[in-house]
Amino acid sequence: AQSVTQPDIHITVSEGASLELRCNYSYGATPYLFWYVQSPGQGLQLLLKYFSGDTLVQGIKGFEAEFKRSQSSFNLRKPSVHWSDAAEYFCAVGARGSGGGADGLTFGKGTHLIIQP
Amino acid sequence: NAGVMQNPRHLVRRRGQEARLRCSPMKGHSHVYWYRQLPEEGLKFMVYLQKENIIDESGMPKERFSAEFPKEGPSILRIQQVVRGDSAAYFCASSPLNAQGKNTEAFFGQGTRLTVV
Repeated sequence: AQSVTQPDIHITVSEGASLELRCNYSYGATPYLFWYVQSPGQGLQLLLKYFSGDTLVQGIKGFEAEFKRSQSSFNLRKPSVHWSDAAEYFCAVGARGSGGGADGLTFGKGTHLIIQP
Repeated sequence: NAGVMQNPRHLVRRRGQEARLRCSPMKGHSHVYWYRQLPEEGLKFMVYLQKENIIDESGMPKERFSAEFPKEGPSILRIQQVVRGDSAAYFCASSPLNAQGKNTEAFFGQGTRLTVV
């Protein structure tokens, strides 16, 4: 069974500083990997995904993530954060199910990002 | 193209009552997923459905919970005889099939927040 670990429950970053959110996964083969963002009281918005190919993935809102197979990691980065980036961030892994797609995602517990002025 | 629509957004039920949560997938999406999010937790997969067919219900509690996705109309998550521990946010997601007929990333609704009093 797959699992996802987000080691940092809370992270505080100054506005304009760089950001890296950590994500480690456990899966028997190459998984599908995702980062989602959730604002308070809202649903989840997909930031980026990795299915195959280039291990450096570009997403929306200036985010990127790098898949490192040797470290079983998929860390999320942004060079300069904005106050509007304050939210909950979830890393997720999807099994390559019978349909070949993202059947039944397994989520980490999330990292709460706080932006200091 | 409207996003994934869930209703109601908030639902209050007394212990022992039934809760019905509705989800209308995005237009053209034939796959629906239900997830539950407890406070301070990530999302937990519950069930994956196609129209008139349950694909994977490995995350559903064995009793009181059921889900359907009829040929016409929204997907319904039904919780019978609710208990306090059922209080959570319930998210629905839908996904399309790609050109190869495989489902890909999931798009999430804004959730239904169930409170059992």
